[in-house]
Amino acid sequence: EIVLTQSPATLSLSPGERATLSCRASQSVSSYLAWYQQKPGQTPRLLISDASNRATGIPARFSGSGSGTDFTLTISSLEPEDFAVYYCQQRSNWPLTFGGGTKVEIK
Amino acid sequence: EVQLVQSGAEVKKPGESLKISCKGSGYSFTSNWIGWVRQMSGKGLEWMGIINPGDSDTKYSPSFQGQVTISADKSISTAYLQWSSLKASDTAMYYCARGTGRPPYFDYWGQGTLVTVSS
Repeated sequence: EIVLTQSPATLSLSPGERATLSCRASQSVSSYLAWYQQKPGQTPRLLISDASNRATGIPARFSGSGSGTDFTLTISSLEPEDFAVYYCQQRSNWPLTFGGGTKVEIK
Repeated sequence: EVQLVQSGAEVKKPGESLKISCKGSGYSFTSNWIGWVRQMSGKGLEWMGIINPGDSDTKYSPSFQGQVTISADKSISTAYLQWSSLKASDTAMYYCARGTGRPPYFDYWGQGTLVTVSS
C-alpha cells in the first residue's frame, strides 16, 4: 500500500499570502496524484488531477506540480474561501490511498 | 449535470445490518467507477472500496475487506454500501464519489450519509 504523507499538518497564513502544501508518497506514483479541498461541513471537491490538471471551475490561483514521490499544491494568493483542509490521493496503484490532510487556517 | 444523491442519515444499534445507497444521474452510470469513502468525526478521508457498475469489478481497501460489501444495480443507476453487523466504530460520514480513470480519482461526490451506531 502506498502511504501519502502531507505536510505541514497545519498552515497558518493570512489572506493574500501564498500557500505551499506538500504530499510525499512512499513509492513512485508517477503523475497519478489528485488534490481535494474540503471546507467544514462540506463535501470534498476535486481541485487537481494527475498532479497538475485543474478540474473544471477551479480558479487559476490553484496549481499542482511534481512527479514520482514529491508533489506540491500551491495557492498563489489566499482568498477567504480557501481556508479549508486539503487532501492528496494517489491513483497509481490499488488500493487507492489518501494523505492525512493539511489544514490551511487564518493567521 | 452530474449528480450523486445519497440516502439519508441512519441511526442503528450495534449488531444491526444496514445498506446505504448512492444514485447517479447526468452521465452514463456504467462508464465510471463509484467509490466509497469514510470520514470519522474530525478525521481524514479513508478509501473503503469501489465498484465498476459496467462490469461489477469491485475492489476493497485491505482495511475494509470483509467488513463491508459494495454492490450496484445499473438498471437504476444506484450503488450500495452495506454492513451485516454494525459496530459503534462504524459511526461516521460515508461519501460516495464518481471515479474517473483506472485506477481512478474522484471528480464528483455525493452529499454524504451520516451513520450513527449506538446502543
